[in-house]
Amino acid sequence: QVQLQESGPGLVKPSQTLSLTCTVSGGSISSGGSYWSWIRQHPGKGLEWIAYIYYSGSTYYNPSLKSRLTVSVDTSKNQFSLKLSSVTAADTAVYYCARGGGGGGAAAFDYWGQGTLVTVSS
Amino acid sequence: DIQMTQSPSSLSASVGDRVTITCRASQSIRSYLNWYQQKPGKAPKLLIYAASSLQSGVPSRFSGSGSGTDFTLTVSSLQPEDFATYYCQQSYSNSYTFGQGTKLEIK
Repeated sequence: QVQLQESGPGLVKPSQTLSLTCTVSGGSISSGGSYWSWIRQHPGKGLEWIAYIYYSGSTYYNPSLKSRLTVSVDTSKNQFSLKLSSVTAADTAVYYCARGGGGGGAAAFDYWGQGTLVTVSS
Repeated sequence: DIQMTQSPSSLSASVGDRVTITCRASQSIRSYLNWYQQKPGKAPKLLIYAASSLQSGVPSRFSGSGSGTDFTLTVSSLQPEDFATYYCQQSYSNSYTFGQGTKLEIK
């Protein structure tokens, strides 16, 4: 059973960089052709897909966030990471990591982390 | 971006009722449509993928249909644990988008 767990600071100051890591257990991040995504949910709101990455390092970003985003993978640690720069209060959200993504249409998110709330505030 | 619009935004129903939630895409997404259930404080759970395929472990009272721009999620007989918020998500475009959600409440 694949499990995902987000980790990182719960509070980030405006203009700084939000950094989160997702640790995958119960399976290798580099096996099975899986893609790995970040998704966020603003308080009381709907879901917004942020980016996906393949174990090779290939990425695809949400165009609305692309200029501030870096997503990377560390196969030796079975982890992938998110960095979002120049944050504002509008980036306050619960951030989820999930398995899913990639092109070709079959991109359902079948495993999710529990989510971590990141608040942007001074 | 492909816009996904769900209706209704909220719905009151009773245990045992049959309910249907609709999702409309701003352009054709063929059958690349997924449905999720989310309970308060929890991560979303995949229910249906590719418009009509039931995810492993999901009760058979959940079903999905549709193609092109119009899709439905049906719960044949509501159980107490089904009261939650439901989201559709398109995977036709690489820039995935979700509907705004439908909150299913107990009448």
